[in-house]
Amino acid sequence: DGGITQSPKYLFRKEGQNVTLSCEQNLNHDAMYWYRQDPGQGLRLIYYSQIVNDFQKGDIAEGYSVSREKKESFPLTVTSAQKNPTAFYLCASSATSGGSYGYTFGSGTRLTVV
Amino acid sequence: AQRVTQPEKLLSVFKGAPVELKCNYSYSGSPELFWYVQYSRQRLQLLLRHISRESIKGFTADLNKGETSFHLKKPFAQEEDSAMYYCAPPAGGTSYGKLTFGQGTILTVHP
Repeated sequence: DGGITQSPKYLFRKEGQNVTLSCEQNLNHDAMYWYRQDPGQGLRLIYYSQIVNDFQKGDIAEGYSVSREKKESFPLTVTSAQKNPTAFYLCASSATSGGSYGYTFGSGTRLTVV
Repeated sequence: AQRVTQPEKLLSVFKGAPVELKCNYSYSGSPELFWYVQYSRQRLQLLLRHISRESIKGFTADLNKGETSFHLKKPFAQEEDSAMYYCAPPAGGTSYGKLTFGQGTILTVHP
């Protein structure tokens, strides 16, 4: 089955630690995205990448970092600089060339700082 | 600025009543819009896109360029329609990147 896999489903982090959330897709999509979902705030874009080895900041990139070394993978690192990291994180992908496309989403990772 | 807005955070209706989830946009160029739905404990998924003009699970949405709206409608709501709904621009193509989702509307359908 084609799709997006996020892991782990639940993640606990101690204050001051960096953690990395995994996102893998086998849809052959060029673009990948990371969103943060908080109650009452909808989806906010953290980072996006339209092509391998290139990525851009979204609206709330501070305290986060990403890499895009392979088309299939777009891991997100939540650094100790992120002041309020407890949230639900969603990864998505889409086609990009020509036309109008929707997003395909992963099932999410819930990060809790303890 | 290019923007998609959903003015209602919460919407409650009774089963069998009509429901309308509002979405407005401010765009340059030709607008293209989507509705996504997130049921409890399920992943966010595409509900419908304006280009296809489909009716999915009884929902329809018409792009009104005069009112710059793309409201989602269903004539008779069901309890299983209770979910979070997002209106969004397209990904990729000419509108990718910082064009982001509306704030979302939580729909609750009461028995």
